[in-house]
Formats: sequence, C-alpha cells, structure tokens
Amino acid sequence: SQQGEEDPQALSIQEGENATMNCSYKTSINNLQWYRQNSGRGLVHLILIRSNEREKHSGRLRVTLDTSKKSSSLLITASRAADTASYFCATGPLADSNYQLIWGAGTKLIIKP
Amino acid sequence: DGGITQSPKYLFRKEGQNVTLSCEQNLNHDAMYWYRQDPGQGLRLIYYSQIVNDFQKGDIAEGYSVSREKKESFPLTVTSAQKNPTAFYLCASSPSGDRRIQPQHFGDGTRLSIL
Repeated sequence: SQQGEEDPQALSIQEGENATMNCSYKTSINNLQWYRQNSGRGLVHLILIRSNEREKHSGRLRVTLDTSKKSSSLLITASRAADTASYFCATGPLADSNYQLIWGAGTKLIIKP
Repeated sequence: DGGITQSPKYLFRKEGQNVTLSCEQNLNHDAMYWYRQDPGQGLRLIYYSQIVNDFQKGDIAEGYSVSREKKESFPLTVTSAQKNPTAFYLCASSPSGDRRIQPQHFGDGTRLSIL
C-alpha cells in the first residue's frame, strides 16, 4: 500500500537554485525518511526525521515535518548537476509489529547546467 | 568496503521459466528486503526477512519465492506464476534493532525483462 505522495512529480531548475519537494502521508507515523535514486541505481538514504522533530539539517539538505498536516518537505540548497536524481519519501509506522516502510512514487529532479 | 551486491544487472526470462535474482550483503545486517519498482511508482515490498531461516510476505508476494539460509544471502525467485515480471528489482538490508528507524541500504538492482 502506498502512503507517501510526493509533489511535484517532476521538477527542473537551474544549477545554483534551491529545490523543494513535498511528501504527504495518510496515517500516523514513527518517522519519515528521504532517499535519493540516481537513474538505474539503488536508493541511498539521505535523512531520517522522527515524529517528535520539526526540522533536520544535513549539509545542503533541510527536512521539515508537520505531523498536524501529515506532510514533509525536502529542501536542497544551491543545487548542483550531481543532485539530478529521483527523491523518495518513506514513512515508518507507529506500531513495531509487521514493520515495513511505506514508499511514495518519488519526485524526479533535473538540474540544468 | 561493505555493501549489497545484486546480480545479474540485466536478466531475461522466457515464458514458463523460473529465474533467480541474487542478493549478497557483507554489512552484517539482520534484516533483508526485496522490492519491485515499476516506472513512475514507488517501491513495493515483495518479501522481507528479519533473521536467518525466517521470512514474511510483503504486499505483492504472489508469483515470487525467497529463501534465507545464510545471513549474507537472500535470493529471490521469480516463478512462471508471476505473469507480469518486467520490472526493476531492488534488494535492501538494515541493521538489527528497531527496524522502523534503521535506514535501509540498497543494492544497484536487477532489471528483469520478458523475452
């Protein structure tokens, strides 16, 4: 079952600009994770934010979480050509039993040189 | 360097044939997962295993089978019962502990096509 929905589906910006992508989800969560996938490759974990956190930073990445709106955003500042990839959010459930991450369909980000 | 190795990178299946996708990890992770990725969609869980000799069905297990005889290995067999197997298959692993908060580490995938 798919819980996360990323928005927009695709985003094309100039190098150096900031990129913002959003993730909405339906049920209460323990945490939300963001991953990057380069074309034809596996996913790489970027950042995890817990349900009791509102904002988290890692290098040029900034993630926010609003549990009242059931949404998260990923901001990439000063984008580079190497940031071209698809970005996925995944939510971790409240209950520990039968655990599995629930994945969104992803945002395809293109950075134009 | 620790990581997850999936092989082959590309695989072609004939009608009525079973094929097996390999996944090996040297990260000493307890949990392993198989996902299917179709164009424009998120990952869908096929099977996962928390410990050796134990595995559970995910959302789309029909037409697939797995085994977990060794901690390092979690092969996936796509059987002839899977009528639409064309997809990108991803294997992942995660450490022990609370699996909800452990990041998953991925291999580089196997692209399966029908001949």
